[in-house]
Amino acid sequence: KAGVTQTPRYLIKTRGQQVTLSCSPISGHRSVSWYQQTPGQGLQFLFEYFSETQRNKGNFPGRFSGRQFSNSRSEMNVSTLELGDSALYLCASSPGTGRLNTEAFFGQGTRLTVV
Amino acid sequence: GEDVEQSLFLSVREGDSSVINCTYTDSSSTYLYWYKQEPGAGLQLLTYIFSNMDMKQDQRLTVLLNKKDKHLSLRIADTQTGDSAIYFCAENPGTGFQKLVFGTGTRLLVSP
Repeated sequence: KAGVTQTPRYLIKTRGQQVTLSCSPISGHRSVSWYQQTPGQGLQFLFEYFSETQRNKGNFPGRFSGRQFSNSRSEMNVSTLELGDSALYLCASSPGTGRLNTEAFFGQGTRLTVV
Repeated sequence: GEDVEQSLFLSVREGDSSVINCTYTDSSSTYLYWYKQEPGAGLQLLTYIFSNMDMKQDQRLTVLLNKKDKHLSLRIADTQTGDSAIYFCAENPGTGFQKLVFGTGTRLLVSP
């Protein structure tokens, strides 16, 4: 069974640009959550998508957005990039409902550098 | 509010036991987790415990939960150099959704 796949692994962008990151969850999982990891703030929850709907949202500005497709793949978008957006972006996959929804499995992450 | 705290650093010798501690504040947390992160990698789910349990053992890993003190610990028996990594404690506030609140992480260094 394939794990969680995030693409690309590395990105370098310029301030003011926008970026789109992709996450393919484990087959059969319907929930995808996104997290930002930085040395200063640690791991912070961005949002969760389930069945193409945003189900939960963290405390990030509106420049951070996401969506989920009917095949459960998810994308997150950051517009008007700032230097402080440089981080490792991790996505987590989970069933979304039921007893096994207690387990969240993470991808390798996308390392975004804003210059 | 939700807050999870961990000590920043732990150093042990190979073959010793390691104990990584975590305190959390949200009494509604239903599940508590331990994740491992190696350099340049994502998070690996090690184990988790339901809040109505005191202890869970999984091979070399033992999780202890003191719900009264909101204290969680991870014991790694016979620690190996391959266990060197950052360990994160996380709580699920129990909303039923996947919104994990992570601690700051404990860097474990295992020396030969």
